[in-house]
Amino acid sequence: EVQLVESGGGLVKPGGSLRLSCAASGFTFSSYSMNWVRQAPGKGLEWVSSISSSSSYIYYADSVKGRFTISRDNAKNSLYLQMNSLRAEDTAVYYCARDREIGPMVRGAPFDYWGQGTLVTVSS
Amino acid sequence: SYVLTQPPSVSVAPGKTARITCGGNNIGSKSVHWYQQKPGQAPVLVIYYDSDRPSGIPERFSGSNSGNTATLTISRVEAGDEADYYCQVWDSSSDRGVFGGGTKLTVL
Repeated sequence: EVQLVESGGGLVKPGGSLRLSCAASGFTFSSYSMNWVRQAPGKGLEWVSSISSSSSYIYYADSVKGRFTISRDNAKNSLYLQMNSLRAEDTAVYYCARDREIGPMVRGAPFDYWGQGTLVTVSS
Repeated sequence: SYVLTQPPSVSVAPGKTARITCGGNNIGSKSVHWYQQKPGQAPVLVIYYDSDRPSGIPERFSGSNSGNTATLTISRVEAGDEADYYCQVWDSSSDRGVFGGGTKLTVL
């Protein structure tokens, strides 16, 4: 059974940093591109970042580029999101999601499995 | 940047057909995916590549995409279909993922 479990969320002050993790199991993690998607309280989904299976391709939303860094450790079956210079508008539930397509990154692939999310609150 | 426009809400009586639209410039040239999200839960993929249905998703869910509008159609709507629905594409010109603003489906 495919499982994605996010962790690392919490309360942080504006300007602070946080590192989110997503532990994957039930599939060959190293074969799939992965993604972060966030949802502010009461708002819609927002794509944040994507990384290919071998980390060769990385993409960011303009709203986080230069502040967030996506990475992965295929040996540990884990996906990460390092978030720096956090702002109030970064407050959201952060989901990790798997690309449906196996192998090299397919831009535009759907996200077929999602974790339950971890809440990040940026407030003084 | 590429924008996807969805109606904020759609209401439908049980047993009827709900149609949720997703508008975007020449969206017919892109692959559109649809997600269902119920309160307090993670999104679930219900339609991918315009009209394909993942295993476990009822045949009542279907999709189409042409011109400037993609449409998610839910036939014989049930109370359990009440949820928020989001369309999604990849904007290849900017290499960014894009979600629509979401549509709340209410079953009357």
